[in-house]
Amino acid sequence: QLQLQESGPGLVKPSETLSLTCTVSGGSISSSSYYWGWIRQPPGKGLEWIGSIYYSGSTYYNRSLKSRATISVDTSRNQFSLKLSSVTAADTALYYCARDIVVAVGSFDIWGQGTMVTVSS
Amino acid sequence: SSELTQDPAVSVALGQTVRITCQGDSLRRYYASWYQQKPGQAPILVIYGENNRPSGIPDRFSGSGSGDTASLTITGAQAGDEADYYCNSRDNSGYHPGFGGGTKLTVL
Repeated sequence: QLQLQESGPGLVKPSETLSLTCTVSGGSISSSSYYWGWIRQPPGKGLEWIGSIYYSGSTYYNRSLKSRATISVDTSRNQFSLKLSSVTAADTALYYCARDIVVAVGSFDIWGQGTMVTVSS
Repeated sequence: SSELTQDPAVSVALGQTVRITCQGDSLRRYYASWYQQKPGQAPILVIYGENNRPSGIPDRFSGSGSGDTASLTITGAQAGDEADYYCNSRDNSGYHPGFGGGTKLTVL
């Protein structure tokens, strides 16, 4: 059964870069049937899609993040990663990685458990 | 990302049917996906595509759409259905999937 697991620092200083990795186990990240995405949820608020990547390296980003987000994939390690630069307190959130179905974009059918990232000095 | 609007809160009596709606221009062209999120848990996909349920999702959950509005219908609501529900759809410019603001469902 495919599983996703987020990892990375739980505390990031303002103006620095947030870095998270999602490890895919029980299946291949190189499947042509899926995108791999990052979604976040500030405390007490709703879900926000950050961006997604295809195994080939094609990337898609939420325009509201104004180019601060970079997503990459390492097929040899079955991982994909998120970097978010110039973070502020507004980037404090629970960050999820998830699998998105190519033929039904926006259908994130498998999620990681999420990792909390706090932006604070 | 797509602009999707949901009612902040909806309530339903135990055992009754409830419809949760999601409105947005992209829904005229694309289907919505629906997620259930309970406190302290990751979201769960409950409906995707025209009206598809992932494995393990009961058939009490169904999806439909008309014009710029998509709906998630829960037939015979149970106490365990009390949760936040989010819709999602790609926008008209391409891949970019966006979430609605979420609807808090209370089962009375």
